[in-house]
Amino acid sequence: ELKVEQNPLFLSMQEGKNYTIYCNYSTTSDRLYWYRQDPGKSLESLFVLLSNGAVKQEGRLMASLDTKARLSTLHITAAVHDLSATYFCAVVQYNNNDMRFGAGTRLTVKP
Amino acid sequence: NAGVTQTPKFQVLKTGQSMTLQCAQDMNHNSMYWYRQDPGMGLRLIYYSASEGTTDKGEVPNGYNVSRLNKREFSLRLESAAPSQTSVYFCASSYLKGLWQGTYEQYFGPGTRLTVT
Repeated sequence: ELKVEQNPLFLSMQEGKNYTIYCNYSTTSDRLYWYRQDPGKSLESLFVLLSNGAVKQEGRLMASLDTKARLSTLHITAAVHDLSATYFCAVVQYNNNDMRFGAGTRLTVKP
Repeated sequence: NAGVTQTPKFQVLKTGQSMTLQCAQDMNHNSMYWYRQDPGMGLRLIYYSASEGTTDKGEVPNGYNVSRLNKREFSLRLESAAPSQTSVYFCASSYLKGLWQGTYEQYFGPGTRLTVT
């Protein structure tokens, strides 16, 4: 069964600092998604990673995928308050439509 | 384009009552999905419809039924609500027939907050 683990679950950062969120998954896949969710809101798609070694960047966020290690990372560079939100990774099981989500990382960026 | 819309936004039910959550998308997407989100957890897939006329179970289908009414609409029904079904329900859609095919991510609706007492 596909399991997705994120860590840390809670992250409090100072503005201007860098940090990485990790997403591990348990079975073969090369479809990994990162989403952002603000409190009380729906999910917003950030990145779609489709192959081993894929790297995507948008502003202060960069996501990468290592399918051999079954690991994706979301790197935050020089954090700003606007990045405060919960970030989810989600993995689609090989040749399947079953998308499994991690528990989410609640990020708080403090001035 | 309205994207993915859901009704109602909030609902309170008593145990044993039934209700239907409605979802519609105007993006001409083939696939539609229902998820539930519980506090401190990620989303869990209840049912999905890869294309009009087909539905399949996801991770947590028990206690729910779905109907893909047409290409635009996908409804979720709770026949006899239980307190364990208190959750936020999200509908989503994607363009291709299934998440495994291609690059298209899912687009999510605003959610329905359901409380069962």
